[in-house]
Amino acid sequence: GAGVSQSPSNKVTEKGKDVELRCDPISGHTALYWYRQSLGQGLEFLIYFQGNSAPDKSGLPSDRFSAERTGGSVSTLTIQRTQQEDSAVYLCASSSRVTGGNEQFFGPGTRLTVL
Amino acid sequence: AQSVTQPDIHITVSEGASLELRCNYSYGATPYLFWYVQSPGQGLQLLLKYFSGDTLVQGIKGFEAEFKRSQSSFNLRKPSVHWSDAAEYFCAVAPSGYSTLTFGKGTMLLVSP
Repeated sequence: GAGVSQSPSNKVTEKGKDVELRCDPISGHTALYWYRQSLGQGLEFLIYFQGNSAPDKSGLPSDRFSAERTGGSVSTLTIQRTQQEDSAVYLCASSSRVTGGNEQFFGPGTRLTVL
Repeated sequence: AQSVTQPDIHITVSEGASLELRCNYSYGATPYLFWYVQSPGQGLQLLLKYFSGDTLVQGIKGFEAEFKRSQSSFNLRKPSVHWSDAAEYFCAVAPSGYSTLTFGKGTMLLVSP
């Protein structure tokens, strides 16, 4: 079956603009995660959705970042008023309680460049 | 809070030689442990995972890792490295089976002919 997909694969934007990044998890996976990968900070957790529970937003770096997950499937990560320090690769992952063990399957990422 | 340390930023290994990548974690109990590999321009692929039981776990592509509780380590090994193994390797920890991952900074593996 299809893996986790993300779009766009690359996004270049100007400082101050808003961007939306999309993640399509593996069908049937109830958990969805967003991570950010940057040269200085490595891989950092951003936000976690599990089923219908309230998301864990503890990793979001500022209130400019938000995410939603519609219908328990597709998720959108929104960054408002982008700053140059937001430049990074944004990775999405999903996992299933059925298979257990928190094996997270990652998408290819969206490379965001803020000019 | 848990943390993961990968002390080697870069490692160069000759093709056919053995490999060991180090990973140390800090966590109060026995966490869930993972090794992921990332090839250039690619997402992360799970190599292997440890939850409980046998402390030596086998993964894909001929990799294995050993959990040593006394040393808080989960080192990744491969007996004979192939050029295609050149990539960045990440160790990760989670406090339970259904939670977010905390990653180490990664180790870049270079394979020389």
